[in-house]
Amino acid sequence: GAGVSQSPSNKVTEKGKDVELRCDPISGHTALYWYRQSLGQGLEFLIYFQGNSAPDKSGLPSDRFSAERTGGSVSTLTIQRTQQEDSAVYLCASSRRQGEQPQHFGDGTRLSIL
Amino acid sequence: AQTVTQSQPEMSVQEAETVTLSCTYDTSENNYYLFWYKQPPSRQMILVIRQEAYKQQNATENRFSVNFQKAAKSFSLKISDSQLGDTAMYFCAFMKHAHNDYKLSFGAGTTVTVRA
Repeated sequence: GAGVSQSPSNKVTEKGKDVELRCDPISGHTALYWYRQSLGQGLEFLIYFQGNSAPDKSGLPSDRFSAERTGGSVSTLTIQRTQQEDSAVYLCASSRRQGEQPQHFGDGTRLSIL
Repeated sequence: AQTVTQSQPEMSVQEAETVTLSCTYDTSENNYYLFWYKQPPSRQMILVIRQEAYKQQNATENRFSVNFQKAAKSFSLKISDSQLGDTAMYFCAFMKHAHNDYKLSFGAGTTVTVRA
C-alpha cells in the first residue's frame, strides 16, 4: 500500500485479556518501529526491527509485551494479560533502511482497557 | 539516555501570524539528528523538518524554520504565516547518529491552535 497500515484502528478489551496489534509497513521498507503514546504524552519507543537482525527490545515496558515480524514485513505487537495502564495509542513506523529518516508513521491503534 | 523537553503544553496563534515552539534536549552525543513532527487529530505523525547536528545552517521548509543552538542544546520551531491547517500537536524528537540505535526520543508535545 501507499502508507503504513495498522489494524485495528480502535480496540476495546477487558483487563486481563490478550490483544494483538498489527502493522503492515510500506512495501520495501526494512526497518520497522513500534511506539506507544499515552494520553497527552509524547511517543515512547517500544521495539525496533531491522531486516533479519535481532530486534532492539529495549523499550518494552514488561514481559507482557512482545512483538514479532514475519517474513521481514508485517509485524504483530502482542500484549498479554492487559492492564489499565496499557491504554494508549500504539503507533507503528517504517523506513527504507535502518537510520533513514523520515520514519513513516501509521495512524495508530487506540487501545482502551476497561 | 536522551531527554527532550518541550516546555509549552499549548500555544495559540492568530491566522497569518508567527508562532515559535521551544525544545531543549540533553545528550552527551556529538553527532545526532533533531526533528519536528506534526500530529493532527488523525493521529498520523508527519515529519515537518529535520536538522543534522553537524550542520550549522538552520533548516528551512517553506513556512517552517528552526533555530538550532547546539551549545545551548536548543531546537526551536518557527511557523510563519500560520494557517488553519497548522492546528495540530507538534513533537520535537532526537535520534542518535549511532550504529544500530535509530529510535526516536520524543518530547511531550505542544498543542498549537491557529485561530481564524
